[in-house]
Amino acid sequence: DTGVSQDPRHKITKRGQNVTFRCDPISEHNRLYWYRQTLGQGPEFLTYFQNEAQLEKSRLLSDRFSAERPKGSFSTLEIQRTEQGDSAMYLCASSRQGTSGRNTGELFFGEGSRLTVL
Amino acid sequence: KNQVEQSPQSLIILEGKNCTLQCNYTVSPFSNLRWYKQDTGRGPVSLTIMTFSENTKSNGRYTATLDADTKQSSLHITASQLSDSASYICVVSCMEYGNKLVFGAGTILRVKS
Repeated sequence: DTGVSQDPRHKITKRGQNVTFRCDPISEHNRLYWYRQTLGQGPEFLTYFQNEAQLEKSRLLSDRFSAERPKGSFSTLEIQRTEQGDSAMYLCASSRQGTSGRNTGELFFGEGSRLTVL
Repeated sequence: KNQVEQSPQSLIILEGKNCTLQCNYTVSPFSNLRWYKQDTGRGPVSLTIMTFSENTKSNGRYTATLDADTKQSSLHITASQLSDSASYICVVSCMEYGNKLVFGAGTILRVKS
């Protein structure tokens, strides 16, 4: 399978616990994005990487959230001390960014990791 | 402020009928506009990507139009099928701010038999 893979698909945790999500992008895609989506809303941007460099972080990404993309391949999104408001679908997407700098690359999404904080 | 507004919020149609979903945006400067289909509990899947110079683009029974002057786009679905039931999300790419993608809230389409 050459699509974007996310793990786990579902995670139920108690408030205060830490959780980590993993995303494996399409190979050779240099850009990787994390989004959060709540019911009835479109995805909200959290952060993105160009290869291993984290180029932008949304104000939505509080100090409890951290994302990494070591070696520019897979990425992890960790949420520390989870709160009930963190319950959402966390989507990962990847694209191949051209050299022109314009974001014309098609964005491929994973199936998402649904987090429920009790 | 860069925004993408979609209408209607939700829509119910009978199988076999056509429908049109609307997207208005204030994103500037504009780079491209995308339509995604998102099945419940799944990730979005790309339907079309249109740049400034493209007025219309088709993908099977899906046809997207773009009017860059009025900053409006539409997604027309022909001869709807039950499998078309999903959320349809309009996404506009802004040339500034690192080519940020601005997402609409989506239109929820339900096709009934």
